[in-house]
Amino acid sequence: DTAVSQTPKYLVTQMGNDKSIKCEQNLGHDTMYWYKQDSKKFLKIMFSYNNKELIINETVPNRFSPKSPDKAHLNLHINSLELGDSAVYFCASSQFRSNEQYFGPGTRLTVT
Amino acid sequence: AQTVTQSQPEMSVQEAETVTLSCTYDTSESNYYLFWYKQPPSRQMILVIRQEAYKQQNATENRFSVNFQKAAKSFSLKISDSQLGDTAMYFCAFILPGGQGNLIFGKGTKLSVKP
Repeated sequence: DTAVSQTPKYLVTQMGNDKSIKCEQNLGHDTMYWYKQDSKKFLKIMFSYNNKELIINETVPNRFSPKSPDKAHLNLHINSLELGDSAVYFCASSQFRSNEQYFGPGTRLTVT
Repeated sequence: AQTVTQSQPEMSVQEAETVTLSCTYDTSESNYYLFWYKQPPSRQMILVIRQEAYKQQNATENRFSVNFQKAAKSFSLKISDSQLGDTAMYFCAFILPGGQGNLIFGKGTKLSVKP
């Protein structure tokens, strides 16, 4: 069983489109995260959700909006996609106040 | 603010030999956690090993061990008996305890294990 899953694994789209990436975890964790890995492999936190509430929101453009229907899911919606949004996006989860995060397989987003 | 530095962008090692990856970090906190993550070509982020700052004993997981020097703020990863499957990007990461902050990553070291 996959602990943290993401769909799709690959996403190719044109500038200006709106797209979503879905994330689900079956670990019973109550905190979920979105990270962005750029072309130089640098990983940076974008959002963190604890019990469906946003607890960290780094300086991410408001075109990016996380949505958490329940504590097992954290989706990432992106409006008006730009070339610079091309990256690998990772979902992760942990138990709040635990220090280990478990990552999904990543979604490679390519904006053309 | 906390920072994590990996000074070796790329390294290579012969199969069965030992290699050490370097990581330094900066923080004014006394309690924190450090991790090494492995990212093979499959892209999956895999937790290799963790170290709690208040524990003096260095963590070990099979062929992977760390050299944690708290005063020097150094956290190196030693891979013994390197295997071809160890070829990957390795990321050092830092986090404050209890959900106080983000997981902060270094820029990574690309390790190639040669047959």
